[in-house]
Amino acid sequence: EAEVAQSPRYKITEKSQAVAFWCDPISGHATLYWYRQILGQGPELLVQFQDESVVDDSQLPKDRFSAERLKGVDSTLKIQPAELGDSAMYLCASSLRQGAGEQYFGPGTRLTVT
Amino acid sequence: AQSVSQHNHHVILSEAASLELGCNYSYGGTVNLFWYVQYPGQHLQLLLKYFSGDPLVKGIKGFEAEFIKSKFSFNLRKPSVQWSDTAEYFCAVNNYGQNFVFGPGTRLSVLP
Repeated sequence: EAEVAQSPRYKITEKSQAVAFWCDPISGHATLYWYRQILGQGPELLVQFQDESVVDDSQLPKDRFSAERLKGVDSTLKIQPAELGDSAMYLCASSLRQGAGEQYFGPGTRLTVT
Repeated sequence: AQSVSQHNHHVILSEAASLELGCNYSYGGTVNLFWYVQYPGQHLQLLLKYFSGDPLVKGIKGFEAEFIKSKFSFNLRKPSVQWSDTAEYFCAVNNYGQNFVFGPGTRLSVLP
């Protein structure tokens, strides 16, 4: 069964350092999402791609966060500089197309900023 | 903006008890509705979904949910829970062409 891949699974970094997360969606899925999930809360959308284009990044803190999906396949989410409040689980999900029903989630990257 | 509320933060049940988890959403138009589950140490998985048709939807592992449009609700039910159902449950709503909005989640603990 096809799955969304994410790496690393865990990341510990010091504040003010740069950190990057990688996501490889299910093959053929045009839409890719990055979410942030704080412990005890539901996932919150950070950015959504349709192929290589950003569809929604209204909740992305653009002063420190960036995301790209250059070839419309895998994607990278970067934080620079990391802050203590960025500690969370970062989830990647994909779906066949925008508004096309269910999303499939990867295992996430748990980020701890010290 | 769309919002999703889940009535219970933490539910504790004994095995074989019946379960109902509440979910309400704010948008009044056409929506897709989902329940996701996150077992300890695992990633979010789809339990069930509603797009249209029969408002009573059956999912995996004996779960079902009922869409009541007049109440903006999509409550999750299971007649008899098992210890293995211990997990976090998230309701999510998607307006056509718009993004998913997740509820805050309900933690279910099933005592053996």
